[in-house]
Amino acid sequence: GAVVSQHPSRVICKSGTSVKIECRSLDFQATTMFWYRQFPKKSLMLMATSNEGSKATYEQGVEKDKFLINHASLTLSTLTVTSAHPEDSSFYICSARPRSRPTEAFFGQGTRLTVV
Amino acid sequence: GENVEQHPSTLSVQEGDSAVIKCTYSDSASNYFPWYKQELGKGPQLIIDIRSNVGEKKDQRIAVTLNKTAKHFSLHITETQPEDSAVYFCAATPGGSYIPTFGRGTSLIVHP
Repeated sequence: GAVVSQHPSRVICKSGTSVKIECRSLDFQATTMFWYRQFPKKSLMLMATSNEGSKATYEQGVEKDKFLINHASLTLSTLTVTSAHPEDSSFYICSARPRSRPTEAFFGQGTRLTVV
Repeated sequence: GENVEQHPSTLSVQEGDSAVIKCTYSDSASNYFPWYKQELGKGPQLIIDIRSNVGEKKDQRIAVTLNKTAKHFSLHITETQPEDSAVYFCAATPGGSYIPTFGRGTSLIVHP
């Protein structure tokens, strides 16, 4: 149990285009999903917290108009990187918190985004 | 807010040896402490966790200890194997926000 699927695992896009990353909880309902960015050999940097049916809460320094987060259902959240630039290239990871176990969080496989 | 310190940043051991990774936290409201293993190019995977009402928990070769008074918790891996090589993250989760704060990670290298 507690499987989180993130798609795509890798994506290459051109500067100026937008990219959507999906995060799905496969066998549980997730009231909260977290989106992280990870730089090489670095820890996880929390970008935003999204609760089902409400607007995401962004961490300081994260542009909400650039990183659009939607959490439309209890099993799906999406992160859209708009007007991507090479500096947005990174490893993006989601995690989902089960409704029945609110202290715990399970991670997706991550998405390697490369903007050329 | 919560602050989690993790040491060491790199740990190199011989196969069969034990490995210990230590973390400290600052927020006494934290009551859930998970450990994650991250292999190259993948997302972190939960390997063991401990709650504040427990002092120790063991699962086969891995164990976690918690000292609430000192705000320390540690991951112990015995009889290490090359497949244990990965980056390990500790985290502390406060009871109010349930938002985990992560340590900086420990790169564990197990030499055959």
